[in-house]
Amino acid sequence: QQQVKQSPQSLIVQKGGISIINCAYENTAFDYFPWYQQFPGKGPALLIAIRPDVSEKKEGRFTISFNKSAKQFSLHIMDSQPGDSATYFCAATPLGAGSYQLTFGKGTKLSVIP
Amino acid sequence: GAGVSQSPRYKVAKRGQDVALRCDPISGHVSLFWYQQALGQGPEFLTYFQNEAQLDKSGLPSDRFFAERPEGSVSTLKIQRTQQEDSAVYLCASSLVGQGQETQYFGPGTRLLVL
Repeated sequence: QQQVKQSPQSLIVQKGGISIINCAYENTAFDYFPWYQQFPGKGPALLIAIRPDVSEKKEGRFTISFNKSAKQFSLHIMDSQPGDSATYFCAATPLGAGSYQLTFGKGTKLSVIP
Repeated sequence: GAGVSQSPRYKVAKRGQDVALRCDPISGHVSLFWYQQALGQGPEFLTYFQNEAQLDKSGLPSDRFFAERPEGSVSTLKIQRTQQEDSAVYLCASSLVGQGQETQYFGPGTRLLVL
């Protein structure tokens, strides 16, 4: 049972373009939604996170959009750069018991071509 | 400062061998987590420590998997009688206090290949 579904599996974007990665969840107990960036040979690193009390959060070129009623959230990378080429994971944790337990999507491999 | 470190970075084991994977969390971090990342998949939770206490081991796939953190700092994940399906990257993460949805800082992982 995959609790967080992520798409697409891979994405190729030209430099300067917008990269969009989508995630959907089933568990209504989830209330914290971080995005992680992972470079080859490295561990995941927190990029940006959102809670469901807001519909959008922006940090630099990275924006999370959140749709609570649809149980969907997405990551937008504006002005994508070759250095953004990495694998991106959405994740979720519940409030209360088990709130430390990250549930990850399967990942999206982003390639930004010059 | 230093991040989370893991050793060895790569481990090749013959099926049936026991392996031990080490994690050095960020100094002073109370909470420590282990995740398993299969090829092409997202990390999956294995177990959680707060100081030396193992508070959650619900993600350990079988009784061949054992984790410890005896002094509340370094942790070891041990896999007994390794099987091919154990091949994966094992990630360790730590967080400062361990309260709920705190940022977890991940190490580079140990890539285990069981032949």
